Amino acid sequence: KAGVTQTPRYLIKTRGQQVTLSCSPISGHRSVSWYQQTPGQGLQFLFEYFSETQRNKGNFPGRFSGRQFSNSRSEMNVSTLELGDSALYLCASSLVSTPYEQYFGPGTRLTVT
Amino acid sequence: GNSVTQMEGPVTLSEEAFLTINCTYTATGYPSLFWYVQYPGEGLQLLLKATKADDKGSNKGFEATYRKETTSFHLEKGSVQVSDSAVYFCALSEDGTASKLTFGTGTRLQVTL
Repeated sequence: KAGVTQTPRYLIKTRGQQVTLSCSPISGHRSVSWYQQTPGQGLQFLFEYFSETQRNKGNFPGRFSGRQFSNSRSEMNVSTLELGDSALYLCASSLVSTPYEQYFGPGTRLTVT
Repeated sequence: GNSVTQMEGPVTLSEEAFLTINCTYTATGYPSLFWYVQYPGEGLQLLLKATKADDKGSNKGFEATYRKETTSFHLEKGSVQVSDSAVYFCALSEDGTASKLTFGTGTRLQVTL
């Protein structure tokens, strides 16, 4: 069974631009969560989607948004990029029956210049 | 709010040495506890879990016991291998919102021959 895939793997953007990252969960997994990983703040929860609805949200500004499609694929969008948004963005998926067992993708490395 | 505190790294050990990585937590309610591992260039992988007090999680020779009285979940392995070199993250999830993980800062383990 294929793992969680994230595209693109690397991205370079300029301050003020916006970006969209994509995540395809493991087949059968309906929950998708997003995390931001930085050297200074570590791993921080952004949001979780289940059945196309946002079910949980972390403490990030409204510039960070996401959505989930009917096939459970998810996208996250960051608008008006800031230098501090440079990070590894990780997506994780899980089964309904074991929501705490998160399977992570390799991440998208975003660099904002 | 919830928080996880891990020992600072890096931890450098010789092959076949005993490993302990300390983890303590603060949480309301009855969290589930996890250890994730991140190998270089890869996403996080669930290593082991414990969902209630006194549970012992184990996998690949690693063990951790959920100690409610000391709010701890220390990771141990009796004999480490070079292939265990990675970053280890302790994490918790709140009861009822299990997909939202709170992570520690991670501990880098380097095992040498």
